Amino acid sequence: GENVEQHPSTLSVQEGDSAVIKCTYSDSASNYFPWYKQELGKRPQLIIDIRSNVGEKKDQRIAVTLNKTAKHFSLHITETQPEDSAVYFCAASRGEYGNKLVFGAGTILRVKS
Amino acid sequence: EAGVAQSPRYKIIEKRQSVAFWCNPISGHATLYWYQQILGQGPKLLIQFQNNGVVDDSQLPKDRFSAERLKGVDSTLKIQPAKLEDSAVYLCASSPWDSSSYNEQFFGPGTRLTVL
Repeated sequence: GENVEQHPSTLSVQEGDSAVIKCTYSDSASNYFPWYKQELGKRPQLIIDIRSNVGEKKDQRIAVTLNKTAKHFSLHITETQPEDSAVYFCAASRGEYGNKLVFGAGTILRVKS
Repeated sequence: EAGVAQSPRYKIIEKRQSVAFWCNPISGHATLYWYQQILGQGPKLLIQFQNNGVVDDSQLPKDRFSAERLKGVDSTLKIQPAKLEDSAVYLCASSPWDSSSYNEQFFGPGTRLTVL
């Protein structure tokens, strides 16, 4: 089955700097890759996702890149702010509607002001 | 639109006791998921329903866990008997069953279970 590895497990950055979180997946049939943000004690919320037919997607300060050949994808956050502090999870799926997500272990991002 | 609802939000039980969690998905969402999130880990799928049928329960410990989704709307997840290692947050999620959604899942607030 699918296996998703996520690095680093913790990341501290200074406010205004960029943060990058990387994930690798094992199932070459996976074609949908969402990123979820989970604040302490709250539910995971989708922040951005990418499908395998594109290599990059941006939404304001957040971007995701995908390398299908190498089977890895990354989350990029620019101009980090204290409110970006949270746990970020990557996930992979075969993408057909209703197909299950396999999550990485998460990255704790701390933005120091 | 209203989000995914779960209850209770917190539950403390002793090992070998039973416990049940309830989930009400977003109206019209055909697919419902139960995840287990152990502290410091990502959510792990326990069971997935499509309407009232089970799509995937390969990671559900069937000797102690059971789930049902009668009438294809609300769902309950039960643990009987509970073990210490069942301490976790149990997340319910739902998604619509159509090609435009591409599997976006909407999560509920979770139930934090502590087994003593």
